[in-house]
Amino acid sequence: DAGVIQSPRHEVTEMGQEVTLRCKPISGHDYLFWYRQTMMRGLELLIYFNNNVPIDDSGMPEDRFSAKMPNASFSTLKIQPSEPRDSAVYFCASSPPGLAGGAEQFFGPGTRLTVL
Amino acid sequence: GQNIDQPTEMTATEGAIVQINCTYQTSGFNGLFWYQQHAGEAPTFLSYNVLDGLEEKGRFSSFLSRSKGYSYLLLKELQMKDSASYLCAVRLPMDSSYKLIFGSGTRLLVRP
Repeated sequence: DAGVIQSPRHEVTEMGQEVTLRCKPISGHDYLFWYRQTMMRGLELLIYFNNNVPIDDSGMPEDRFSAKMPNASFSTLKIQPSEPRDSAVYFCASSPPGLAGGAEQFFGPGTRLTVL
Repeated sequence: GQNIDQPTEMTATEGAIVQINCTYQTSGFNGLFWYQQHAGEAPTFLSYNVLDGLEEKGRFSSFLSRSKGYSYLLLKELQMKDSASYLCAVRLPMDSSYKLIFGSGTRLLVRP
């Protein structure tokens, strides 16, 4: 399997622009997670989906952030408008059924976002 | 609030043993994970504890004491490639949607 795929790997944009990050989870995994990692705040969960349905979005910082999962093999995280403080590495992760039983999460390579 | 504490940095010598501690105070508990993250890369899973005691997996072992809110990761026969950050994460229970809360990570430097 190719693992979790994220695109783009790097994104540089200007403040106020819309940014869309993309993720393809591992086939057969029914949980998908979006995380953000910064030096100051570490790794934070933004939102996660189970069977394409958002389960917990309490980590989404504000209304500028939105996430969708239209099907089992694709998810997007959108920031509109972007701000310099959104600069971070954004990771997507997926895990197979059985979260309650201890399934590990498999992380994608991340998207390094820089907002100027 | 949720609080997970780990030392920020540790240094050890190749071939030695190092123990990375993690203490947690969370609103609930449904398991503790350790992840390894090399600089510029994604976290990768190392271990999972849900019951008290020691879990051994090759050169890596992880211990959990739920009553003390404490875990450690033990790395034996250290290799240069073990230089990385080690993240402790607590999974919250179902009423908190099983989300993972990560500590800030411990950056381990292995010297020759």
